[in-house]
Parts: sequence; C-alpha cells; structure tokens
Amino acid sequence: DSGVTQTPKHLITATGQRVTLRCSPRSGDLSVYWYQQSLDQGLQFLIQYYNGEERAKGNILERFSAQQFPDLHSELNLSSLELGDSALYFCASGGNQPQHFGDGTRLSIL
Amino acid sequence: GQQLNQSPQSMFIQEGEDVSMNCTSSSIFNTWLWYKQDPGEGPVLLIALYKAGELTSNGRLTAQFGITRKDSFLNISASIPSDVGIYFCAGHTGTASKLTFGTGTRLQVTL
Repeated sequence: DSGVTQTPKHLITATGQRVTLRCSPRSGDLSVYWYQQSLDQGLQFLIQYYNGEERAKGNILERFSAQQFPDLHSELNLSSLELGDSALYFCASGGNQPQHFGDGTRLSIL
Repeated sequence: GQQLNQSPQSMFIQEGEDVSMNCTSSSIFNTWLWYKQDPGEGPVLLIALYKAGELTSNGRLTAQFGITRKDSFLNISASIPSDVGIYFCAGHTGTASKLTFGTGTRLQVTL
C-alpha cells in the first residue's frame, strides 16, 4: 500500500461530459502530481501542486484543470471529454522522497 | 512529451534466468528511479538512485546510476513468476520535481 488514495477506481462517461478525479496524498507529503497513462504514450506528467499552489505544468490540455485543497487532497477536473481522453490517470505524492503512486482511475469515454 | 528510451521493449525469459534492462536519456538527471507496474495497479517504487555511479540493491534487484547521469540499468537475478510486469525507469532533475518516464520494459517469465 503506497498510502496514496485515488477515487473513483473506474469512471465511464460520454463525450462532452465533465468528471472529477480525486487524490489523497501520503501523510506528510506536500506535493501532488498527476500523470496520464495511455497505451501509446506511456506515463505523461500533467501537473504538480505543492502545498496548495501550482508548481509545474506538463502536457496538460486546457480542458483539464487541477487544484489542491488546504487538507492537501487534490482534484483533477476533465471537461468536454473526448474519446482520446480515455486513459489511466495516476496521482503521486512526494516531497524530498521519491514519488509514490496511487492505483489510478481508469477513465473510459464512450 | 519527453520520454526516456528504455530497452528492451519486452522480454520473454525462463524462470531462474537473470534479466537486464536499461534506460537512456539525452538529458542529465539528478535522480533515477525504477518502478514496476502490475495490471490494474499503480507503479510501485523498486529502487531509487541519487548519485552518479551509485549501485544499489533491493533483494534480487540491482540498479546503477550511470556515470554520465544520462543512463541507468536494472538487473534482476534468478527471475521468478511474480517478476512479471512492466518495469519503468524514471528520472527527475531536482527535489520534488516531476518525473520523466521511460517507455517501459514488459517482462514475461515462463516456467
């Protein structure tokens, strides 16, 4: 058990819809990272938050946004969903230690 | 986005054999990490390397941080069926920064 909790585990929705993915980091970790894993792209960094503030941005689409709350949990919001957004979305937390990953949310767009 | 070059892409080996895989980058990293991912689960950290030239073991796993800081190697000795999975290398440039992942090595072990 990595200590990083992601919900929901699975999400099925339709094109054009909006979803929210949630992540609770390991106790004591201030940083939260979001990654997308699709079959042909591997694990791609989306965005990082540190203690409530955005720290770094990767290949995150404008239709996607994230935030980190005072209790350090984070949410990734995906809107105007397209078929190509189907993927596994992972959250990781860390700080001065290597990042530890949650078990991901599998998003399927029908 | 940037990805590290990892090879081989996949391996079929017999139980008991040793396994070697490597990861190369055009950029320098300050930390190299090796993860294993099983189906339906998130990547699990296996080994972390922090210094160029460092050699670190975790049970049957041994990893090395290349001297140039642009590569890393993972060896698995005496493979067993539970070693099956996808192995990813990852690098990052500084404390609490994003990870850049390798393309993965899929390991299959036959009895």
